[in-house]
Amino acid sequence: QAQLQESGPGLVKPSDTLSLTCAVSGYSISSNNWWGWIRQPPGKGLEWVGYIFHSGNTHYNPSLMSRVAMSTDTSKNQFSLKLSSVTAIDTAVYYCTRKVAGLSWYADWGQGTLVTVSS
Amino acid sequence: QSALTQPPSVSGSPGQSVTISCTGASSDVGSYNRVSWYQQPPGTAPKVLIYDVSNRPSGVPDRFSGSKSGNTASLTISGLQPEDEADYYCSSYTDSYTSFGGGTKLTVL
Repeated sequence: QAQLQESGPGLVKPSDTLSLTCAVSGYSISSNNWWGWIRQPPGKGLEWVGYIFHSGNTHYNPSLMSRVAMSTDTSKNQFSLKLSSVTAIDTAVYYCTRKVAGLSWYADWGQGTLVTVSS
Repeated sequence: QSALTQPPSVSGSPGQSVTISCTGASSDVGSYNRVSWYQQPPGTAPKVLIYDVSNRPSGVPDRFSGSKSGNTASLTISGLQPEDEADYYCSSYTDSYTSFGGGTKLTVL
């Protein structure tokens, strides 16, 4: 089981870029896993953001694709999310996740971090 | 990716059984056995309960079971316990993309 820990600013201004990092322990970022993000607006349901393989291959939610970028840092065993041009609807708890390559479910989740978009 | 439809809420008494439905389309739930279910107690992160329609990860009690018929997947919880009170989400994985249902709040009366 991987331990995942999100970090980043809890408050972001409208039109700015949201940046989050997920520190991974228990697994190498270079292992056979997809590392990703799922978000949950307060009081609402889950929304898949996307995921990345250590090779750099990515899959993003089509509704966010124009604003999302993910990356990995093998030296620090972590991965990151950037979401540009944020608005209030991007306010959510952001969870980082692990999905085994070739499988369809999310085996590990971070505890989540709330990001609020407000001026 | 189509949205998955779940009932907003279900309820049951301790010891009873409840079933939560998850309706998709012939292009996702109907065509692939890649439906999973997640449990999210209040204030916590989701945890996988069922994967690939009916498989349980180790450590998940056999009170939780999954099935599928046509475009609708279902999660059944038998022998309800107070600690089962949580939000439940279905998920469909198709062509490397994931979609979630809107979630169902289970109340144990």
